[in-house]
Amino acid sequence: DAKTTQPPSMDCAEGRAANLPCNHSTISGNEYVYWYRQIHSQGPQYIIHGLKNNETNEMASLIITEDRKSSTLILPHATLRDTAVYYCIVSDLNFGNEKLTFGTGTRLTIIP
Amino acid sequence: NAGVTQTPKFQVLKTGQSMTLQCAQDMNHNSMYWYRQDPGMGLRLIYYSASEGTTDKGEVPNGYNVSRLNKREFSLRLESAAPSQTSVYFCASKRDRAQETQYFGPGTRLLVL
Repeated sequence: DAKTTQPPSMDCAEGRAANLPCNHSTISGNEYVYWYRQIHSQGPQYIIHGLKNNETNEMASLIITEDRKSSTLILPHATLRDTAVYYCIVSDLNFGNEKLTFGTGTRLTIIP
Repeated sequence: NAGVTQTPKFQVLKTGQSMTLQCAQDMNHNSMYWYRQDPGMGLRLIYYSASEGTTDKGEVPNGYNVSRLNKREFSLRLESAAPSQTSVYFCASKRDRAQETQYFGPGTRLLVL
């Protein structure tokens, strides 16, 4: 799996958009970008994933650069409940690779 | 629909004791996984089961055994616990090998003295 690089921590004001960056310069053509988050030592929660097109769901948007070497997770209107560790993961799960490799993620703190 | 459930929530063991961590899912998923998470670190895959009747080693399998009892249940056994196995253990499942999304349980916190 390709390695990812994320900032260790970020703050965001409540109600503002939180933009979490991720670098994955060695990503291969089969690999998707996944985002999970972990709230206070609970089990990780799936947020969104994408291959090369931008994606949006009820939780977030995922913007992937044209060269696919980086991406940004956007939480459009952050709330206090969005305070968590966010993991950017690159993997080709749908091609039989079973492993999600979790790094240390970005600790996002939403400020009231 | 409870999703992925794990028992126990918390356990204290003495070095050398054995125990089994239980995991069950009610989503009719074929693939199941065991991860461990040490303080301040990301999750590491211990073992996984791509389908009923099969198991494979992950990144950190030493000191553990697994059993895929049936489609719903996937257990993790520590035969002789060591302090280095103090960790939080998460079970996860996904529909099948072609699906992208893994769903995680709430975790079991294990302390080995």
